[in-house]
Amino acid sequence: GAVVSQHPSRVICKSGTSVKIECRSLDFQATTMFWYRQFPKKSLMLMATSNEGSKATYEQGVEKDKFLINHASLTLSTLTVTSAHPEDSSFYICSAVIWGQGSSRKTQYFGPGTRLLVL
Amino acid sequence: GENVEQHPSTLSVQEGDSAVIKCTYSDSASNYFPWYKQELGKRPQLIIDIRSNVGEKKDQRIAVTLNKTAKHFSLHITETQPEDSAVYFCAASRSPGEYGNKLVFGAGTILRVKS
Repeated sequence: GAVVSQHPSRVICKSGTSVKIECRSLDFQATTMFWYRQFPKKSLMLMATSNEGSKATYEQGVEKDKFLINHASLTLSTLTVTSAHPEDSSFYICSAVIWGQGSSRKTQYFGPGTRLLVL
Repeated sequence: GENVEQHPSTLSVQEGDSAVIKCTYSDSASNYFPWYKQELGKRPQLIIDIRSNVGEKKDQRIAVTLNKTAKHFSLHITETQPEDSAVYFCAASRSPGEYGNKLVFGAGTILRVKS
């Protein structure tokens, strides 16, 4: 079945440093990937849509200079949290849409998530 | 834009009973409605989805119904088991994968199955 992986699964960093999170589609090509943020006991908040070969589309209120997204290939998107601060601590989850036969076959699958703790 | 409301926020049922979670959406152009199950600290797992060309879909103990006129859809879990305990999210979108389309999630329902 479709698999989306994320790395690292957990990261602790000091305030002011940058952290890169990778999202990979392992057995399919993903022209579109999404990055979400989830606070404890809350729903998934879409941060941005990552499009292969073009700029990411950010949701309102999400700072694009703070959360850098690069979708350099059909199987890899990266999210870099720049100059991280304690309030950036959260669970970050990516997802990818399977490229099926016709839009009726496209489905979104999630990665395992990355738990970021900024001290 | 799309807005998805989900109810109830928490649901406790006795093992073996049925559980029903309901969602409403606002964008009449939405045509894809997945349901995800998320266990603590884990990724959301797609458990069932329905597209707007059908009114009902069933997979073993799980079923989803869709009422396009009323713009609501529901998840039904029969013969609940303790391992069904998790947070369930509904979502809605226009055709997934097409440029600009994105899932909008409900707030989630914490389901507790008591044995």
